[in-house]
Amino acid sequence: DTAVSQTPKYLVTQMGNDKSIKCEQNLGHDTMYWYKQDSKKFLKIMFSYNNKELIINETVPNRFSPKSPDKAHLNLHINSLELGDSAVYFCASSPRSQGGSPLHFGNGTRLTVT
Amino acid sequence: AQKITQTQPGMFVQEKEAVTLDCTYDTSDPSYGLFWYKQPSSGEMIFLIYQGSYDQQNATEGRYSLNFQKARKSANLVISASQLGDSAMYFCAMREDNFNKFYFGSGTKLNVKP
Repeated sequence: DTAVSQTPKYLVTQMGNDKSIKCEQNLGHDTMYWYKQDSKKFLKIMFSYNNKELIINETVPNRFSPKSPDKAHLNLHINSLELGDSAVYFCASSPRSQGGSPLHFGNGTRLTVT
Repeated sequence: AQKITQTQPGMFVQEKEAVTLDCTYDTSDPSYGLFWYKQPSSGEMIFLIYQGSYDQQNATEGRYSLNFQKARKSANLVISASQLGDSAMYFCAMREDNFNKFYFGSGTKLNVKP
């Protein structure tokens, strides 16, 4: 029933490890995003995919690699985790059409790197 | 330059009173959308209200209204009859329709006092 679901909800790991966060949406939206929310609550876009094609790639270290196997899924893989990667990561989706279509967010994944 | 500016990091309001949360934006795209989201302490992002750049009237959704002043590039959120459950972070966001990219402000933390 959940529109945008991401797993896991919490992720605690050590520096240097590799981890993945999965995201799925059942809204039929064409565009999916990854946002990072830091400790000051600032939301910064990382990536955007439209129908499996990467369209936005902000200045993000190449340790972060998104992967979209189909338009309903957008996963985020992070290599060699660093302390500064600790944040809440939100997956979101929106339809391609404009107008009043908001971003639909998942519930977030709180990543803690120790 | 910041695309979205929220100048009030924190606000207090008495229960049952109205409160205005400020938001200014910067874009040269003639077609854009403005959104407000609420993030309670539980962390999820809740869409509240939308205003399109070509809309002549201010948007309203229940107790939420958006005071849209296009010439001033401002899109303030007005919450009427505040409730304790309104205590949360509030984010203003803009989508430039050319790019389907959403920009977020730094947020305003609203505390409703009983």
